[in-house]
Amino acid sequence: QKEVEQNSGPLSVPEGAIASLNCTYSDRGSQSFFWYRQYSGKSPELIMSIYSNGDKEDGRFTAQLNKASQYVSLLIRDSQPSDSATYLCAVNVKGPGYSTLTFGKGTMLLVSP
Amino acid sequence: SAVISQKPSRDICQRGTSLTIQCQVDSQVTMMFWYRQQPGQSLTLIATANQGSEATYESGFVIDKFPISRPNLTFSTLTVSNMSPEDSSIYLCSVRGSASSYNEQFFGPGTRLTVL
Repeated sequence: QKEVEQNSGPLSVPEGAIASLNCTYSDRGSQSFFWYRQYSGKSPELIMSIYSNGDKEDGRFTAQLNKASQYVSLLIRDSQPSDSATYLCAVNVKGPGYSTLTFGKGTMLLVSP
Repeated sequence: SAVISQKPSRDICQRGTSLTIQCQVDSQVTMMFWYRQQPGQSLTLIATANQGSEATYESGFVIDKFPISRPNLTFSTLTVSNMSPEDSSIYLCSVRGSASSYNEQFFGPGTRLTVL
């Protein structure tokens, strides 16, 4: 069973702080990693993808990947109340013929003004 | 990214009936998937919709309960058959392999189903 683990939270940070969200995965063969943001009552929205070790930055978001440690993280700088949502980590798992995404249970982030 | 629409957006159904959910994408995509998200839970993959052949179901999901069609590269349907209250959930269509973003996977707005 391929697993993706996340702390369910909630993670509470004040406005302007850095929020750090973490994820570990069990399948060493995974090659693609994604972070989705899901607001209450809405569908998941892709915010970051990362495929190689190191950091990838996009605006206030930085994804970090360490395949040796099977660890992926998302940093949100200058957190805003509008960042309050559940963040889902997803890992691509290879199957016969094609790969599918396995999702963690998500971490709820609360940014207080 | 591809624009994905789902119909209906929500429905309330009686137990024992069936509901068909439609997913339409504005461009051709390689892969289409159906997920379920129960209240307060993460996403569970039901099946992969294969164009021109039978869908590939995940453990715990069967074709008789969740028949799926995919007649072309932009459209798929999921039917929830012989519904019970345990089928109350959000059903999400997801796509991957568009011309503009091959490796990334996107979700439709979802269908919120309540079974009484």
